[in-house]
Amino acid sequence: AQRVTQPEKLLSVFKGAPVELKCNYSYSGSPELFWYVQYSRQRLQLLLRHISRESIKGFTADLNKGETSFHLKKPFAQEEDSAMYYCALSGRGNTGKLIFGQGTTLQVKP
Amino acid sequence: GAVVSQHPSRVICKSGTSVKIECRSLDFQATTMFWYRQFPKQSLMLMATSNEGSKATYEQGVEKDKFLINHASLTLSTLTVTSAHPEDSSFYICSARDPTQGNTEAFFGQGTRLTVV
Repeated sequence: AQRVTQPEKLLSVFKGAPVELKCNYSYSGSPELFWYVQYSRQRLQLLLRHISRESIKGFTADLNKGETSFHLKKPFAQEEDSAMYYCALSGRGNTGKLIFGQGTTLQVKP
Repeated sequence: GAVVSQHPSRVICKSGTSVKIECRSLDFQATTMFWYRQFPKQSLMLMATSNEGSKATYEQGVEKDKFLINHASLTLSTLTVTSAHPEDSSFYICSARDPTQGNTEAFFGQGTRLTVV
């Protein structure tokens, strides 16, 4: 079964602290993994995709096929990073259909 | 990036009535759009894939007669919640991809908050 799991509903850190938002997936095949972010009162937007292997706003995420994980990391959290983060999976052929994790609220305190 | 717009952003309707939600791709054409539903403090769940010029593909457990989808043009998909009941109250979100941008990023509408009273 295709599934994305984000074990933490809320992650609260102080400004400047490292952040890791966990994401594990279940998929029989080679999925494409994404991180989407939703800032307060804004729409969902793409943060990262695993195929790009890029760093956006200081965030990185590495696909670990052995552990079926795609954790999102940032070495030094900023207050403006406070948002809801969703890990998502797109299956074979990348049809655009996304399976989302439950989401993690990141709260960065001053 | 590409823009997807939903209308209305909020709607309140009486139980038993039908409500139509529009999803438009403003600066690109989308042969496929997706409709999601989000309950409070929960994740987005895919309801259906809207295909331009053909029938929508519904996910398991989604009633196609309840949630009518029409994708009559390359820039517009509509979701009609028929005979709405309070349990249909939710946040409905659509998304689409711009095929001219490599088709890898999904762009989301701002969502529609439906309240059935």
